[in-house]
Amino acid sequence: EAAVTQSPRNKVAVTGGKVTLSCNQTNNHNNMYWYRQDTGHGLRLIHYSYGAGSTEKGDIPDGYKASRPSQENFSLILELATPSQTSVYFCASGDAANTEVFFGKGTRLTVV
Amino acid sequence: AQSVTQPDARVTVSEGASLQLRCKYSYSGTPYLFWYVQYPRQGLQLLLKYYSGDPVVQGVNGFEAEFSKSNSSFHLRKASVHWSDSAVYFCVLSEGTGNYKYVFGAGTRLKVIA
Repeated sequence: EAAVTQSPRNKVAVTGGKVTLSCNQTNNHNNMYWYRQDTGHGLRLIHYSYGAGSTEKGDIPDGYKASRPSQENFSLILELATPSQTSVYFCASGDAANTEVFFGKGTRLTVV
Repeated sequence: AQSVTQPDARVTVSEGASLQLRCKYSYSGTPYLFWYVQYPRQGLQLLLKYYSGDPVVQGVNGFEAEFSKSNSSFHLRKASVHWSDSAVYFCVLSEGTGNYKYVFGAGTRLKVIA
């Protein structure tokens, strides 16, 4: 069973603080993704990675950084959190062919 | 640029009734199309996918979808819904396998009532 685990599941952060969202996959997939989900927008791609050591900008990368230290782990970093980054964040992994993408259960981030 | 439109933000149907959730896409080539379902406080789960061949594809839990190139559509159907089908459904487009670009529709929230 493909598994993508996100932590934390819920987070409250203060404006200007640093936030790190973590993602671990046991699928041995090359590709990993970070999306955010907002009402009326579906999921929008923030950053993605093709393998350990690589990170690429997605469609809405401003205000976010990503880190892929290993095949299994992919982090999303908000250096200076803002209220506009309040959202639900999803991590996903997919094989090189991207025939299917597997999602984590999401992290609900509130920036106050 | 490619896009996906789900014209119905919310759909309410009675248990046992038939269901159609609409999806229209914009893409100049032949798309790879998916339907995902999101249950409350869960990640997205794949219902079905279409790459080529028979335009009607079968998925899990009795769902099917029909691809129409002439109408640029990929509508989801189910003959008889159950209360447990209440969830948010996303239509997703990709340019092809190996391409990172998954373009999501805004989602349709389905409510099944007794």
